[in-house]
Amino acid sequence: DAKTTQPPSMDCAEGRAANLPCNHSTISGNEYVYWYRQIHSQGPQYIIHGLKNNETNEMASLIITEDRKSSTLILPHATLRDTAVYYCIVRLPHPPYNQGGKLIFGQGTELSVKP
Amino acid sequence: DTAVSQTPKYLVTQMGNDKSIKCEQNLGHDTMYWYKQDSKKFLKIMFSYNNKELIINETVPNRFSPKSPDKAHLNLHINSLELGDSAVYFCASSQDSEETQYFGPGTRLLVL
Repeated sequence: DAKTTQPPSMDCAEGRAANLPCNHSTISGNEYVYWYRQIHSQGPQYIIHGLKNNETNEMASLIITEDRKSSTLILPHATLRDTAVYYCIVRLPHPPYNQGGKLIFGQGTELSVKP
Repeated sequence: DTAVSQTPKYLVTQMGNDKSIKCEQNLGHDTMYWYKQDSKKFLKIMFSYNNKELIINETVPNRFSPKSPDKAHLNLHINSLELGDSAVYFCASSQDSEETQYFGPGTRLLVL
């Protein structure tokens, strides 16, 4: 499985956009980029995922570079409730890959949204 | 209407005891998982079941035995608990075609 590199921590002012970078230079062609977050003492929560194209949903936007070696998660208007550890994960789809179901979590980025 | 639920939420026990953690999902998903988050906050997968069949078994000691009585349940039984088993255990589920995993609230296990 490809590894990801994220800054250990970031700060963001409330109401501003939070841009969380992720490096996945060894990603393979079949691997998706997933983002999860974990708010203190809770289970991880799915945010968004993509393969090649940029994606947007009600929570965030995902920008993937053309060479797919890095991506950025954008929270357009960060609130205090967005304070959490954000994990960038690359994984194979399951099916067809039997081991593709597992998520391999790194250290993530601890995002602090400040008033 | 909790999607993925775990019991108990907290579990404090002595070394050498045997304990079980239960997980239930009401999402109709085919696949369920157990993850362990240690004191350094690393989250690591332990097991995965698809339609009651084991599909992922990471290098976990034999003292850990998952059991899936049906698609909606995946329980984790731990024999001869050790101090190093102290962690937060998260259950998750997904539907293969959707791939998104939904996590439970976690069970905080403390072995004394």
